[in-house]
Amino acid sequence: DGGITQSPKYLFRKEGQNVTLSCEQNLNHDAMYWYRQDPGQGLRLIYYSQIVNDFQKGDIAEGYSVSREKKESFPLTVTSAQKNPTAFYLCASSIGGIYGYTFGSGTRLTVV
Amino acid sequence: QKEVEQDPGPLSVPEGAIVSLNCTYSNSAFQYFMWYRQYSRKGPELLMYTYSSGNKEDGRFTAQVDKSSKYISLFIRDSQPSDSATYLCATSNNAGNMLTFGGGTRLMVKP
Repeated sequence: DGGITQSPKYLFRKEGQNVTLSCEQNLNHDAMYWYRQDPGQGLRLIYYSQIVNDFQKGDIAEGYSVSREKKESFPLTVTSAQKNPTAFYLCASSIGGIYGYTFGSGTRLTVV
Repeated sequence: QKEVEQDPGPLSVPEGAIVSLNCTYSNSAFQYFMWYRQYSRKGPELLMYTYSSGNKEDGRFTAQVDKSSKYISLFIRDSQPSDSATYLCATSNNAGNMLTFGGGTRLMVKP
């Protein structure tokens, strides 16, 4: 079955650590997105990529980095520069925004 | 002002009630309108999709778009406890590729 897989489901980060969240899709979608969701808040765009080897900053890119070396994969690194990283992170993909996004099941990141 | 506004709720209704969820938007270039349902600790899933103005029905769900007033609605008939979730509206312009989301409305359907 085609879909989008995020791992891990839960992740704990110590202060000063970088962590990488995985996002893999087998839908052959060109575009991929990373969103952050805080309790009671909507989705905030971190980064997006419309083709391999190209990506753009979203509204809250500071403290995050991404790569897009393969069409299927769009990993997100939360760096130590991100001062408040505890949140629910969602990855999505699409063949074009007019057809909507397919979301992964999310990764919950907690700073310990 | 956000481009897409949505009352965060929570909206609490008894089982069997008709639910009305609403969004307003400011950009007249938006042509495509979607509703996503998100259960707690899960990713959003596409529920309904409409283009331009008008109604679209799918089972107990009806999506309605009024472009003249920039108003989007989702109606749920005979609501069930399993409908308890956060509902996100989303819009896209004709150029495609990027969705703009509302903040989501949390719905609770009580047995």
